[in-house]
Amino acid sequence: DIVMTQSPDSLAASLGERATINCKSSQSVFYDSNNKNYLAWYQQRPGQPPKLLIYWASTRESGVPDRFSGSGSGTEFTLTISGLQAEDVAVYYCQQYYNTPWTFGQGTKVEIK
Amino acid sequence: QVQLQESGPGLVKPSQTLSLTCTVSGGSVSSGGYYWNWVRQHPGKGLEWIGYIYASGSTSYNPSLKSRASISLDTSKNHFSLNLSPVTAADTAVYYCARLEYNSGWQPLDYWGQGTLVTVSS
Repeated sequence: DIVMTQSPDSLAASLGERATINCKSSQSVFYDSNNKNYLAWYQQRPGQPPKLLIYWASTRESGVPDRFSGSGSGTEFTLTISGLQAEDVAVYYCQQYYNTPWTFGQGTKVEIK
Repeated sequence: QVQLQESGPGLVKPSQTLSLTCTVSGGSVSSGGYYWNWVRQHPGKGLEWIGYIYASGSTSYNPSLKSRASISLDTSKNHFSLNLSPVTAADTAVYYCARLEYNSGWQPLDYWGQGTLVTVSS
């Protein structure tokens, strides 16, 4: 199985500040054949199901605000929230869909300072 | 707009079978190119993929469940189901159904149900 490890486990930032979450995979999730990283980011607000934010490591899902951005390749990835808003309080998960079993990071809880 | 809704008992006794159904609206479980998944979340914990089923009936499961999971499809009711047996308290979790697309390769889980809490207790 591909192990996904996120850091930090939690963070607190002020409104309008930048928040950065890291994700490392135990093996590369990059396919040479199509030049894509099989890495997604999800947001889970309290009491809600996960919501897809980013896929292919850096492509925003339709309707996701542009303050959310993803970067990275191979085994190291980053989710950045530029200008934290109150509605961004949530747990964020990375997930690889390179091969089964699909696996998720342990989650990063984002709070407002 | 695709919508998924889980249903089933909220309480299951240890050693028995957990049975859940996911009803799909706004799309067909028999459509090619889509895989129908189950994912669970232990209380206060992260996400664990259980398995998926395709329109053809082919399935894939997480080996961590040690062959206890079984996913089936009912195209006449446009739903798919999860059976997990035998259960223990460690299977207490919120169970989600979710869809992913296969389009020249795997895609992420794009539509999710609201989730249903299943407690395993005598």
